[in-house]
Amino acid sequence: EAGVAQSPRYKIIEKRQSVAFWCNPISGHATLYWYQQILGQGPKLLIQFQNNGVVDDSQLPKDRFSAERLKGVDSTLKIQPAKLEDSAVYLCASSFGGSTTDTQYFGPGTRLTVL
Amino acid sequence: AQSVTQPDIHITVSEGASLELRCNYSYGATPYLFWYVQSPGQGLQLLLKYFSGDTLVQGIKGFEAEFKRSQSSFNLRKPSVHWSDAAEYFCAVRRRTGTASKLTFGTGTRLQVTL
Repeated sequence: EAGVAQSPRYKIIEKRQSVAFWCNPISGHATLYWYQQILGQGPKLLIQFQNNGVVDDSQLPKDRFSAERLKGVDSTLKIQPAKLEDSAVYLCASSFGGSTTDTQYFGPGTRLTVL
Repeated sequence: AQSVTQPDIHITVSEGASLELRCNYSYGATPYLFWYVQSPGQGLQLLLKYFSGDTLVQGIKGFEAEFKRSQSSFNLRKPSVHWSDAAEYFCAVRRRTGTASKLTFGTGTRLQVTL
């Protein structure tokens, strides 16, 4: 079974530029998550989708971050404009459902460096 | 509010020695608890999870964890560490918030294994 796919794996940009990350979840998984993992910290949930609807985006900095999952499958996370503090690993995860007992499977992440 | 504390930032053990990684949680209701491992450049892999029932949970790669409600702890153990266990370990707690189900991670413990 294929896992969660993410691209690109690495990205270096200058501040104020824009960047986009792509995620393809495990086939059949209705729930998709984006996490931000700053160096030395645990992952922090940015946004959770159930199919193509948002169920939690309370920690997404909406002035610069946006995410979509138009067809309920793959998803894109965008940052515009980027700031230095956005340097982090962005992890995508998926689960079959969105309940507390559903296991989340993580992709390898995209490491973003903002100069 | 829920939180997860991993008091040890970095632990070094010799190969073949036993291992215990500490995790304390703060959550009013019955918690859903997880341990994940993250190798360099990799996403997070689920080691084990606790939802209810037997408080001693077996996971993959020879790991186990014990839920102790009286101590609000969910410590991870392994009787004999292998060099390949060197990685970062994250404890996490999950609860339902409205229609979402949020996973909150600790700050992680980096395990170094000496030969």
